[in-house]
Amino acid sequence: DVKVTQSSRYLVKRTGEKVFLECVQDMDHENMFWYRQDPGLGLRLIYFSYDVKMKEKGDIPEGYSVSREKKERFSLILESASTNQTSMYLCASSLSGRANNEQFFGPGTRLTVL
Amino acid sequence: QKEVEQDPGPLSVPEGAIVSLNCTYSNSAFQYFMWYRQYSRKGPELLMYTYSSGNKEDGRFTAQVDKSSKYISLFIRDSQPSDSATYLCAMSYRRSNYQLIWGAGTKLIIKP
Repeated sequence: DVKVTQSSRYLVKRTGEKVFLECVQDMDHENMFWYRQDPGLGLRLIYFSYDVKMKEKGDIPEGYSVSREKKERFSLILESASTNQTSMYLCASSLSGRANNEQFFGPGTRLTVL
Repeated sequence: QKEVEQDPGPLSVPEGAIVSLNCTYSNSAFQYFMWYRQYSRKGPELLMYTYSSGNKEDGRFTAQVDKSSKYISLFIRDSQPSDSATYLCAMSYRRSNYQLIWGAGTKLIIKP
């Protein structure tokens, strides 16, 4: 079974803090993704990575950065957290070349910025 | 206008009913269509995948794509309380394109 784990289920931070969200997958997937999920807006892609040290901006990269130093690990960084970044953050991974584009998700991190 | 529109619900139906969940889209270039199911406090998981137009059946679930109308549906027969979840549609332009375009998700509640 593919397993995607995220470092925290719940996180509370203060405005202006630097926040690190970690994601690890154990199935040697090339692709990894960070989404945020908000009611009524669905999943919005923040960043994705198709290889170690490679990254591409998604639809809403502003205020976020990412790091992928190892194939299995993809980190999301909020440089200076703001209240509008309060959200559910989902990490996913996928195998390149699969026709069904299946993405495997972690359980999510609910981040609250006060 | 969003590329993919999906009614957020909630949709509440009695156990045993046939459920119909739908998404409409605006871009005729979409070729691959997926339905993901997300239980409360969990990440989404792939439920059904179809390519181009037509139907695909898997147990109690049927996915239908009508490209001429830019409309996709997921039908659930003999619905069970365990089907209560949020259902998200997702689409992509080409095979192995890792970027998916997502609907907002429909929250489904099956009442015992």
